[in-house]
Amino acid sequence: AQRVTQPEKLLSVFKGAPVELKCNYSYSGSPELFWYVQYSRQRLQLLLRHISRESIKGFTADLNKGETSFHLKKPFAQEEDSAMYYCALQPEFSGGYNKLIFGAGTRLAVHP
Amino acid sequence: DAGITQSPRHKVTETGTPVTLRCHQTENHRYMYWYRQDPGHGLRLIHYSYGVKDTDKGEVSDGYSVSRSKTEDFLLTLESATSSQTSVYFCAIRGTSPGELFFGEGSRLTVL
Repeated sequence: AQRVTQPEKLLSVFKGAPVELKCNYSYSGSPELFWYVQYSRQRLQLLLRHISRESIKGFTADLNKGETSFHLKKPFAQEEDSAMYYCALQPEFSGGYNKLIFGAGTRLAVHP
Repeated sequence: DAGITQSPRHKVTETGTPVTLRCHQTENHRYMYWYRQDPGHGLRLIHYSYGVKDTDKGEVSDGYSVSRSKTEDFLLTLESATSSQTSVYFCAIRGTSPGELFFGEGSRLTVL
């Protein structure tokens, strides 16, 4: 079965500390992985995608096919990073429908 | 905000009553989606549409129906609301990149 697991409901860190939001997936093929973010009073939005190998707002995520993981990392957390983060998977033969499978989400709280 | 509006934004109703949520987009996008967001489950796809009168089921479609008679409107109907359908409902449209979805602000539905 296709599944995305985010083991932590809440991750609480202090400003300047490193952050790692965990994401593991269950899928037999070659999926595309994404991170979405929802800031307070804002809409859910795409943060980054593995295929782009990009860094957005200091966040990076590496797809590890051996461990079936796609953890989101940032070396120095900022208070404005506080938000709800969702890991999402798109199966490889989606036919362009963008039918994403989301994890349960992790709330990141960055304290001053 | 990708020109997506949802209505109503908040609704309280009683068990057994019909409810219709509306998603309106001004982007002329072909693909539209309805997700529900629940603690511990993240976002789950209810139904999606790939064109006028073309719709299909997602992973949690039981108890829901949809209609798309115009490109700009995608309606989600609960024929007979139950307490288990208390949730936040998000409409989304597909972006131009793989896995990219633009979300509405959400509609909070409470079924008493």
